[in-house]
Amino acid sequence: GAVVSQHPSWVICKSGTSVKIECRSLDFQATTMFWYRQFPKQSLMLMATSNEGSKATYEQGVEKDKFLINHASLTLSTLTVTSAHPEDSSFYICSARSPTGSNQPQHFGDGTRLSIL
Amino acid sequence: GQNIDQPTEMTATEGAIVQINCTYQTSGFNGLFWYQQHAGEAPTFLSYNVLDGLEEKGRFSSFLSRSKGYSYLLLKELQMKDSASYLCAVRPNTGGFKTIFGAGTRLFVKA
Repeated sequence: GAVVSQHPSWVICKSGTSVKIECRSLDFQATTMFWYRQFPKQSLMLMATSNEGSKATYEQGVEKDKFLINHASLTLSTLTVTSAHPEDSSFYICSARSPTGSNQPQHFGDGTRLSIL
Repeated sequence: GQNIDQPTEMTATEGAIVQINCTYQTSGFNGLFWYQQHAGEAPTFLSYNVLDGLEEKGRFSSFLSRSKGYSYLLLKELQMKDSASYLCAVRPNTGGFKTIFGAGTRLFVKA
């Protein structure tokens, strides 16, 4: 079964709206979660690393004020797309790594398809 | 910088064998992963290599050569459901278990 739950699956909203996406690890505690964005037929682009109890680490070119990340507990990270515009429309995917061993793969949520009108 | 290269698309026939290559240049190396991603879905884990050699798991095998910065994913007895994108991903030695993904190889399996 799924070990990472992401919600919602689909969001369609008007330009200027802020959208919150939740990512939960179900079977383990995740001190680190990752947020990716994927445009059609392109690769996963890492946006930021979410760290429990501390500030997220953003990749170069990702606006931290635009994409707010909160990792308030060991099982939940949230990504808020603030004042979303049509160019923010994309497939957003979170992942978490089981902490036992450096060879553990990332487990991905099912993704959130965001469409801004 | 980080760079991962893999072919954009490949086509193969049902029942055949296909090899998807991946070359990488990263800041250090802490392992290489292969993921499968069907259109509109999240990636699912296929394999992990950290030492040189071949890892076999059913119809899927993955090979790694660290000195050459090279890996391949081998799919045997191809089935129609294997049509998907295959993502090569490397964990550089930058701490935090960050993983960098290649652009993916879209595999089309035809009857």
